[in-house]
Amino acid sequence: DGGITQSPKYLFRKEGQNVTLSCEQNLNHDAMYWYRQDPGQGLRLIYYSQIVNDFQKGDIAEGYSVSREKKESFPLTVTSAQKNPTAFYLCASSPDGQPTETQYFGPGTRLLVL
Amino acid sequence: AQSVTQLGSHVSVSEGALVLLRCNYSSSVPPYLFWYVQYPNQGLQLLLKYTTGATLVKGINGFEAEFKKSETSFHLTKPSAHMSDAAEYFCAVSASQGAQKLVFGQGTRLTINP
Repeated sequence: DGGITQSPKYLFRKEGQNVTLSCEQNLNHDAMYWYRQDPGQGLRLIYYSQIVNDFQKGDIAEGYSVSREKKESFPLTVTSAQKNPTAFYLCASSPDGQPTETQYFGPGTRLLVL
Repeated sequence: AQSVTQLGSHVSVSEGALVLLRCNYSSSVPPYLFWYVQYPNQGLQLLLKYTTGATLVKGINGFEAEFKKSETSFHLTKPSAHMSDAAEYFCAVSASQGAQKLVFGQGTRLTINP
């Protein structure tokens, strides 16, 4: 089955620690996205990538970093600079990143701070 | 710039009753509009979208929405609610130019009473 996988399902971060969230897709999509979801605030775009080796900041990129070395993978690192990282993180992909396209979402990773 | 407002963070209806979830948008260019559904602790799934053409759009699970440019609205309806419709619903807007950057509303949690 084609789809998007995110791991781990739950992740715990200690103060001052960087953590990396995994996102893999086998849909052969060029575009990939990372969103942060907080209760009552909807989803907010962190980073997006339309093609391998290229990515752009979204609305709330501070304290986060990404890489796109392979078409199928778009890992997100939550750095120690992100002071309020507790949230539900969703990865998505779409065929080419065109405005009319449907985005396909993974099941999410819940990040908690110890 | 684009923005979305969903009126009502919680909506409760009886099984078999009409479902109406409200969405108003703001966009400086012609918008593309989307409704996504999220079941607990899962990713989002597309219900329907408006890009061009017919303003009444039909989606999955019996849902439909009408794009009304004069009212800047894209309300979601379903004639008869089912228990399985209980979920959180997100309206989103994308500019019709450039890379797709979805802007989401804050979400509406739909509860179905037996």
